[in-house]
Amino acid sequence: EVQLVESGGDLVEPGGSLRVSCAASGFSFPDAWMHWVRQAPGKGLEWVGLIKNKRDGGTTHYAAPVKGRFTISRDDSKNTVFLQMNSLKTEDTALYYCVTDYFHHMNVWGKGTTVSVSS
Amino acid sequence: QSALTQPRSVSESPGQSVTISCTGTSSDVGANNYVSWYQQHPGQAPKVMIYDVSKRPSGVPDRFSGSKSGNTASLTITGLQAEDEADYYCCSYSGSYTLYVFGTGTKVTVL
Repeated sequence: EVQLVESGGDLVEPGGSLRVSCAASGFSFPDAWMHWVRQAPGKGLEWVGLIKNKRDGGTTHYAAPVKGRFTISRDDSKNTVFLQMNSLKTEDTALYYCVTDYFHHMNVWGKGTTVSVSS
Repeated sequence: QSALTQPRSVSESPGQSVTISCTGTSSDVGANNYVSWYQQHPGQAPKVMIYDVSKRPSGVPDRFSGSKSGNTASLTITGLQAEDEADYYCCSYSGSYTLYVFGTGTKVTVL
């Protein structure tokens, strides 16, 4: 069974940093492209970014609101993808989902990890 | 890049049909066939219902169908059932600065 388990969400002050993780199982993680998608409380879904597999260059792409502040990385030996968030703003408060990519659509979703940015 | 435009809510009686529109631009919805639709029940993670405009993943009832015309994609649910009551989001690959853009979301209510 394909499973994604996010962790690391926390309460952080504005301007702070946080790294959240997503542990994958049940599929060939090194071959997968992985997304992060977020959902602010009571709001809609927002694409955050993507990391391709090493075979496709391990390239990363980011949404405009987070570019330059967030970094996605992966450790294929641990079947884990990371989202490093710096210079956090109150508007980054959201549930952060890790999602597998399947030919340009988001296939399997984790349950999410909550990031709260507040003083 | 702005979110794709969806109606805020639609409602219909059980057994009837609803269609949700998703309007983008020639840079996203109109540029390719990578439009997908996601169903989200309260407190749950989203689930893909349609991908590549009109393809259904295994396990998704054939009551769900997708289509596209120009810059507007649509999701149609026929034979509405109580369990279809949820939020629905479209998403398009854009290939530009922001690779993917979601719709604003539509709440489907089964009366």
